[in-house]
Amino acid sequence: QVQLVESGGGVVQPGRSLRLSCAASGFTFTNYGMHWVRQAPGKGLEWVAVIWYDGNNKYFADSVKGRFTISRDNSKNTLYLQMNSLRAEDTALYFCARDTNTGGDAFDIWGPGTMVTVSS
Amino acid sequence: AIRMTQSPSSFSASTGDRVTITCRASQGISSYLAWYQQKPGKAPKLLIYAASTLLSGVPSRFSGSGSGTDFTLTISCLQSEDFATYYCQQYYSYPRTFGQGTKVEIK
Repeated sequence: QVQLVESGGGVVQPGRSLRLSCAASGFTFTNYGMHWVRQAPGKGLEWVAVIWYDGNNKYFADSVKGRFTISRDNSKNTLYLQMNSLRAEDTALYFCARDTNTGGDAFDIWGPGTMVTVSS
Repeated sequence: AIRMTQSPSSFSASTGDRVTITCRASQGISSYLAWYQQKPGKAPKLLIYAASTLLSGVPSRFSGSGSGTDFTLTISCLQSEDFATYYCQQYYSYPRTFGQGTKVEIK
């Protein structure tokens, strides 16, 4: 069935880096834009980044611009989020989500999330 | 960035009630609005996109309306499984932004 599964979360010290992965299955990955969305403990949803279906367009939230990068490997049906210079305020559950289109629409499929804790 | 404001932030209701949640955008977003439902410890689920289009498989008691800056999500007859937090989200422009959420609790 259509599925997204995130991995790579954990506890990391401020200033360090972490790479999240999102494995997609059950659909043609190359046809869809993909997003990362995060949720701090007890808080609401915050959109983080998007990469279009072909990887040619990427957009970021101001809060992560210059620190996070998004990429995809269409041969492996996998989405990535490289997070550098991590801060305490990056602590959150990170979800990957599928765009209903190539990158400009709502998010119809979500993974269960992977937790990132930034703490010394 | 476009600011999305939901109201109320939370409320209590009973099974069978008709409930309405509103979402206001800080600038016009045409109909580029989605509604999500999230239960504790779970990922959000898309309910409605394009302001009023129900995702396949979503019960018909859910409906959405509005365009421009003012939108509503209505649940016509609240069921036990509908107690959750609801978020609106604009996809008119980047950065994508969500409302702060509306928690629907059991009275």
